[in-house]
Amino acid sequence: DQQVKQNSPSLSVQEGRISILNCDYTNSMFDYFLWYKKYPAEGPTFLISISSIKDKNEDGRFTVFLNKSAKHLSLHIVPSQPGDSAVYFCAASSASGSRLTFGEGTQLTVNP
Amino acid sequence: DADVTQTPRNRITKTGKRIMLECSQTKGHDRMYWYRQDPGLGLRLIYYSFDVKDINKGEISDGYSVSRQAQAKFSLSLESAIPNQTALYFCATSDTTGKNTEAFFGQGTRLTVV
Repeated sequence: DQQVKQNSPSLSVQEGRISILNCDYTNSMFDYFLWYKKYPAEGPTFLISISSIKDKNEDGRFTVFLNKSAKHLSLHIVPSQPGDSAVYFCAASSASGSRLTFGEGTQLTVNP
Repeated sequence: DADVTQTPRNRITKTGKRIMLECSQTKGHDRMYWYRQDPGLGLRLIYYSFDVKDINKGEISDGYSVSRQAQAKFSLSLESAIPNQTALYFCATSDTTGKNTEAFFGQGTRLTVV
């Protein structure tokens, strides 16, 4: 039972354009959401997060949007850069426990 | 030096062998986790520990065991390795000071069971 789903295994965009990565969840108890970025041969690194009391959080080129009614979140990267090419994981946790549940990941490729 | 260190980085072992993956951290975090990554399945939680005397099963604990030897050390054992345990394994830590905090990951151990 996949509680966090990333339905797009891969995404390819041109440098300078917007990248939009999507994530859906099923567990209504989730109240904190995170995006991680992973390069080959490295561990995942934290990118940005959002609490369920907000619907948007922005950090430089990265913005995460949360739609609680649809149980959907998205990560926007603008402008996209070749160095953003990596696997992006969506993750969620609930107040009752700090363990993270991850999605399957989306491979983003930004072409020069 | 990395805050979360995993050893070994790569390991090839034979079916039926016992193997231990080790994790140590210098972040001073109470909580430690073991995840495995498989293509198309993302990161799945194997075991987690909220302090030295606390061990909890995750989503996929069968075939694995763990030991929290100290606050800074959390090891994962495969008692009798099988080929479908071939995967990338990650240790992670998180802090208890905030209600919601991110986890910090090690660089991973690539395990191949032949």
